[in-house]
Amino acid sequence: DAGITQSPRHKVTETGTPVTLRCHQTENHRYMYWYRQDPGHGLRLIHYSYGVKDTDKGEVSDGYSVSRSKTEDFLLTLESATSSQTSVYFCAISVTTTTGELFFGEGSRLTVL
Amino acid sequence: DAKTTQPPSMDCAEGRAANLPCNHSTISGNEYVYWYRQIHSQGPQYIIHGLKNNETNEMASLIITEDRKSSTLILPHATLRDTAVYYCIVRITGGTSYGKLTFGQGTILTVHP
Repeated sequence: DAGITQSPRHKVTETGTPVTLRCHQTENHRYMYWYRQDPGHGLRLIHYSYGVKDTDKGEVSDGYSVSRSKTEDFLLTLESATSSQTSVYFCAISVTTTTGELFFGEGSRLTVL
Repeated sequence: DAKTTQPPSMDCAEGRAANLPCNHSTISGNEYVYWYRQIHSQGPQYIIHGLKNNETNEMASLIITEDRKSSTLILPHATLRDTAVYYCIVRITGGTSYGKLTFGQGTILTVHP
């Protein structure tokens, strides 16, 4: 257990509303990631962070922003949610600095109506 | 990143070895092979990784061919709980990009009684 907590686990919202998903870790790991998973697309990287206030875009970053003001929290924000952002969102952390082993959270299921 | 090719689905009898193949013919010298799995509705779980030598841990064994163009993940005694989607991923390790993993469609492994 890498001590990752995602919140909320489930959310239903309407098009155009802002949404923030939170990823919290308890072990002060430097690297954190947000992925989304959709049928037919597998998991795709949205944004990642390599330290406090250090973030970068992933493969599908349009429509998303992130923030990391402290080591333990990595926030994913949808400024104006759209139906195409209906998905399951996974947060992940890197436990080691020498390999690509990621530990994933349990996911946040977001439905945008 | 090198592209990987996996069969879409495989079956295995409980108690028997499950051998999951992966082709990565364009792999480069500094790219590792990673295996993850995802049990229904859960976050992906790291299984094992390797560069060119065979690797074994408590979950599985990884066999990489001498030319590194393909690999096989072996679950020695599959159980019903091993039913999942298995992802083969090839990625470099190091720097600020090591945790960025590209997940394809994977192989759906069904273990039956």
